[in-house]
Amino acid sequence: GAGVSQSPSNKVTEKGKDVELRCDPISGHTALYWYRQSLGQGLEFLIYFQGNSAPDKSGLPSDRFSAERTGGSVSTLTIQRTQQEDSAVYLCASSLLPGPGLSTDTQYFGPGTRLTVL
Amino acid sequence: KQEVTQIPAALSVPEGENLVLNCSFTDSAIYNLQWFRQDPGKGLTSLLLIQSSQREQTSGRLNASLDKSSGRSTLYIAASQPGDSATYLCAAQGGSEKLVFGKGTKLTVNP
Repeated sequence: GAGVSQSPSNKVTEKGKDVELRCDPISGHTALYWYRQSLGQGLEFLIYFQGNSAPDKSGLPSDRFSAERTGGSVSTLTIQRTQQEDSAVYLCASSLLPGPGLSTDTQYFGPGTRLTVL
Repeated sequence: KQEVTQIPAALSVPEGENLVLNCSFTDSAIYNLQWFRQDPGKGLTSLLLIQSSQREQTSGRLNASLDKSSGRSTLYIAASQPGDSATYLCAAQGGSEKLVFGKGTKLTVNP
């Protein structure tokens, strides 16, 4: 079946503008994750959604970052008033999650959105 | 706080050589340890997932081991090929579900 898809693949924006990044997870996957990969840095966890539970936002770097997941499927990551340090590749992943506290299945990653803030 | 370290940061080997990539983690309370491959400009491809109760997993020329007590995992690649050239990432998953990644090992296999 189809994998995780993300759009746009590339986004160039000016400092101070808002951007929205979209993620379509694999159908049937209940867990959805956002990560960020900055130049020279490892992947950094941002936010995690699981079913109807409150999202784990512990990785969001500032209140300019927010995310929502509508209908338990598509997710949108919004960055307000973008800064140059927000430039990175934003990766989305999804997985099956049998239940709270249980080990999850493999996380399947999308191709990412490369964000450049000028 | 979980920290994951990968050594070496980069590795260059001739084709056909067997090699080992190393990963260490500070908190042994993990659910699983995953190895991924990342090609330039692309997303991550899952290679192997080792549950906390397992010692190793194998897929083709790849073998990953896990020693929770010492906080170490290794990825063994047999008979390396130029197509294996990529960045290899390991990630530990704990109770918070999120993956904590190392910074990766960039592998170059020379023909």
